[in-house]
Amino acid sequence: KQEVTQIPAALSVPEGENLVLNCSFTDSAIYNLQWFRQDPGKGLTSLLLIQSSQREQTSGRLNASLDKSSGRSTLYIAASQPGDSATYLCAGRDTDKLIFGTGTRLQVFP
Amino acid sequence: NAGVTQTPKFRILKIGQSMTLQCAQDMNHNYMYWYRQDPGMGLKLIYYSVGAGITDKGEVPNGYNVSRSTTEDFPLRLELAAPSQTSVYFCASNSPMTTTEAFFGQGTRLTVV
Repeated sequence: KQEVTQIPAALSVPEGENLVLNCSFTDSAIYNLQWFRQDPGKGLTSLLLIQSSQREQTSGRLNASLDKSSGRSTLYIAASQPGDSATYLCAGRDTDKLIFGTGTRLQVFP
Repeated sequence: NAGVTQTPKFRILKIGQSMTLQCAQDMNHNYMYWYRQDPGMGLKLIYYSVGAGITDKGEVPNGYNVSRSTTEDFPLRLELAAPSQTSVYFCASNSPMTTTEAFFGQGTRLTVV
């Protein structure tokens, strides 16, 4: 059974810092891994999708990597801004369905 | 494109009442999902469907039922509401292709009192 874990559960950093969010999964047979952002009281916004054959994907200040052999994905946020404050969720695609981690709640203060 | 549309956005139910949460998508996706998210937690899969007429249980199916008569619609039924079902419910859809991303609705916030 696929299980997805995210560390840390919460993170508070000053504006401008580069930071890394971690996502671990137990079954390396995932088809892809997707990172989402969730603002308080809102739905999920897709940030990046990494296919199982890829090592990383980039979008603006975001870079996500995938290492299936070690069961890890990381989301790197460069030059963090207060507007990046949100909960970040990773989800591994396990055949037909997405299995979610518990999320990392990020606060970036000015 | 509307994407994934959920209704209602908010609902308060009394214990023992029933209701149906509606979900519709206009992307011709075969795969559809229902998740629940409790405060401060990730998303737990309730039920999913890989096509019309096919449904399967996820991690937390007890107390819920689903049907999938069309590709577009995937309603979630609560038969006898309980306080433990107070949560935010998200519907999502995806293509069978592993190169595509999943899309989510805006959620239904349900309170059972």
